[in-house]
Amino acid sequence: AQSVSQHNHHVILSEAASLELGCNYSYGGTVNLFWYVQYPGQHLQLLLKYFSGDPLVKGIKGFEAEFIKSKFSFNLRKPSVQWSDTAEYFCAVFTSGTYKYIFGTGTRLKVLA
Amino acid sequence: SQTIHQWPATLVQPVGSPLSLECTVEGTSNPNLYWYRQAAGRGLQLLFYSVGIGQISSEVPQNLSASRPQDRQFILSSKKLLLSDSGFYLCAWSVGVSAEAFFGQGTRLTVV
Repeated sequence: AQSVSQHNHHVILSEAASLELGCNYSYGGTVNLFWYVQYPGQHLQLLLKYFSGDPLVKGIKGFEAEFIKSKFSFNLRKPSVQWSDTAEYFCAVFTSGTYKYIFGTGTRLKVLA
Repeated sequence: SQTIHQWPATLVQPVGSPLSLECTVEGTSNPNLYWYRQAAGRGLQLLFYSVGIGQISSEVPQNLSASRPQDRQFILSSKKLLLSDSGFYLCAWSVGVSAEAFFGQGTRLTVV
């Protein structure tokens, strides 16, 4: 069965610190990978997505993620976080074979000013 | 442009009562439709998804069911609510195999 694991449930960083959030998935077929962000009181919105090609994907607000197929991973990174990055981050996997859209349990990021 | 409507925003229902949450999408055809339950620390749990009219796939056996009577309409139902059905329910849609998911405003259901 498909699943998505996010290992960090809560992360606290100071402004300007670097960020890396882990995401691993289990599925043997072709996947499309996403990171979403949910700011307090708002809907989920897309940060970035990977379908094919360059495994290093750049998204909005300075975020990037790297797809490592051999590790079934799609970790999210940002070199220098800002207070406004405080939010919950979700990794998601879409499988074209089943049309399932599976989300991880989320990581709550708090950035201290 | 595409929009998604989900209602009601909040709902308080007694145990044993029926449930019907509705979600409609505008501005697109043949979307993939999804129902999720979002809970703190558990992320978004996929409940049901549909790739076409009348086609429903269930992910979690429970006291809920889903239907898709029209291309852009997705309904989450229960015949008799349980206390454990309380939660925040989200409807979402995507198109094709590479598009992002778009979410409704959600419904906060409280079963009392």
